[in-house]
Amino acid sequence: EDKVVQSPLSLVVHEGDTVTLNCSYEVTNFRSLLWYKQEKKAPTFLFMLTSSGIEKKSGRLSSILDKKELFSILNITATQTGDSAVYLCAVEAWAGGTSYGKLTFGQGTILTVHP
Amino acid sequence: DTAVSQTPKYLVTQMGNDKSIKCEQNLGHDTMYWYKQDSKKFLKIMFSYNNKELIINETVPNRFSPKSPDKAHLNLHINSLELGDSAVYFCASSQGFRDWGETQYFGPGTRLLVL
Repeated sequence: EDKVVQSPLSLVVHEGDTVTLNCSYEVTNFRSLLWYKQEKKAPTFLFMLTSSGIEKKSGRLSSILDKKELFSILNITATQTGDSAVYLCAVEAWAGGTSYGKLTFGQGTILTVHP
Repeated sequence: DTAVSQTPKYLVTQMGNDKSIKCEQNLGHDTMYWYKQDSKKFLKIMFSYNNKELIINETVPNRFSPKSPDKAHLNLHINSLELGDSAVYFCASSQGFRDWGETQYFGPGTRLLVL
């Protein structure tokens, strides 16, 4: 069975700190790894990673994938209170030999940023 | 404009009742999904449809029946509701066929409470 494990489960920091969130996975027929941010409602898409070693960056957030070691990290620099959320890692696998992505989610990391 | 919308946002009902949740996407996507998020925030896929055809059907009680009248709509009907069905149900959509990974866009969720 496909498995995605995130660590830490929760993290409390102060504004300005840098955080690193981890995601490791065991998936058959890996296709991509996605990071989502979930505040009060729907998960919102952050990054999709398909190739090893290529960093994706958006403002203060960046992410990298290691397909050999089967993990990804999400970095947030100079954290702000608005970064407080649950960060979800999901891995997409090929479903039954088709291109229909089946996402397996990790349990999430709850990030709390204090002023 | 709302890309993926769900109705209702909240649903409170008694055990044993039958209820439906509706989902619509205006992104022109071919694939739609239903996820269940439990109290521990674990997002788990239930169903996936591509162009009105059922693609992914995870281990879900057959009290849950998805229906896709067209590729822009995926509804979820639940018969004989049980206490354990209480959760947030998210609809999502993605483009469908691509050589690289899929980005799934989530609706705002329907919070179901079974009393």
